[in-house]
Amino acid sequence: SQQGEEDPQALSIQEGENATMNCSYKTSINNLQWYRQNSGRGLVHLILIRSNEREKHSGRLRVTLDTSKKSSSLLITASRAADTASYFCATDPNSNSGYALNFGKGTSLLVTP
Amino acid sequence: SAVISQKPSRDICQRGTSLTIQCQVDSQVTMMFWYRQQPGQSLTLIATANQGSEATYESGFVIDKFPISRPNLTFSTLTVSNMSPEDSSIYLCSVGGEGAFFGQGTRLTVV
Repeated sequence: SQQGEEDPQALSIQEGENATMNCSYKTSINNLQWYRQNSGRGLVHLILIRSNEREKHSGRLRVTLDTSKKSSSLLITASRAADTASYFCATDPNSNSGYALNFGKGTSLLVTP
Repeated sequence: SAVISQKPSRDICQRGTSLTIQCQVDSQVTMMFWYRQQPGQSLTLIATANQGSEATYESGFVIDKFPISRPNLTFSTLTVSNMSPEDSSIYLCSVGGEGAFFGQGTRLTVV
């Protein structure tokens, strides 16, 4: 079942700008993950943040997690046209990361040159 | 990490027919997951496929409509049966890990 809600649903920025996407969820989680999907293809895992972590970085990606507010944000810095894609947050409610994920509705990001 | 080969990548099918989607993983995994992504929507879990047992279906999905096979630890199939235009979606298989790995998806159009 879906429990993540992302906002905005769509975001259009220019190259070099930062893009921020937010995700809210409803139930307790073990971890929260962000995925990227290009043109309706398979999803690519970007970053995972555990429930006991507050912030994580990977390259140009920065993820925050606020479990008290049940929310997370994904920041992409210095965006590039190649970052154009849909971004989804997904929550893993179980300690076993092999369990199924609950996906949010996604943010469609357009980065224009 | 895991590499998943999913096929077909796309198909156009007549209503009333069935399509079987295959997923091959390059390593042995206990659980495989099948998702549906309707046009413009997010992913919804159809079922979890464990080797050696029947698949576990989520609410709103039934075995007669979406039969799943899991003959070994590296392979699974999902069949979309008696298709209607409402079944037009992207179907994805995935396996877990430190972050899930997904096949490239099957874009199904039912006419």
